[in-house]
Amino acid sequence: AQKVTQAQTEISVVEKEDVTLDCVYETRDTTYYLFWYKQPPSGELVFLIRRNSFDEQNEISGRYSWNFQKSTSSFNFTITASQVVDSAVYFCALRGGSARQLTFGSGTQLTVLP
Amino acid sequence: DGGITQSPKYLFRKEGQNVTLSCEQNLNHDAMYWYRQDPGQGLRLIYYSQIVNDFQKGDIAEGYSVSREKKESFPLTVTSAQKNPTAFYLCASSIGAGATYQQFFGPGTRLTVL
Repeated sequence: AQKVTQAQTEISVVEKEDVTLDCVYETRDTTYYLFWYKQPPSGELVFLIRRNSFDEQNEISGRYSWNFQKSTSSFNFTITASQVVDSAVYFCALRGGSARQLTFGSGTQLTVLP
Repeated sequence: DGGITQSPKYLFRKEGQNVTLSCEQNLNHDAMYWYRQDPGQGLRLIYYSQIVNDFQKGDIAEGYSVSREKKESFPLTVTSAQKNPTAFYLCASSIGAGATYQQFFGPGTRLTVL
């Protein structure tokens, strides 16, 4: 069985603050893939990143960075110098190598205040 | 422009009526998916199709039906057997059905049953 936990239901920050969204996962597969998606108010999910279980290097893309730690089964997402346009629901998702489907966390609603 | 289209964006139906949600993609993807999203929850898989004329049940298939007669199209019918059909429905596609493939999402259809 697969499970993704996003314990933070809602987070509010003031513009230019850094914010970290937590994601903890469970899987029995040794090969698996982790994803982050952004869902703005329009509703469409926007792909942000994919990481496989064999690559524990942290990744940075502009103001976004991801910290993957297999030892704690976590794949956290940090936004540096947040902006109002970052306001959205962010989903962490997992797909094990043997699984037929993507398992989503319940999402974190991020609100960035001006 | 390549992408996934879902129509309509908002749909209202009376209780007891069947309703079909459209999903079309021009990405030449083999795999397609239907998800349901309820407020404050993550996405849950309803059905998926790895290839034309094939589809499999996801976690919450009861009360739903699909067809995959063409590669580009994967319509979802919400039947009167679905006890609580009001939700946001998202269609997705990927190049293949394997775990490594990123899923691309459509803009969604918000169904309200009165």
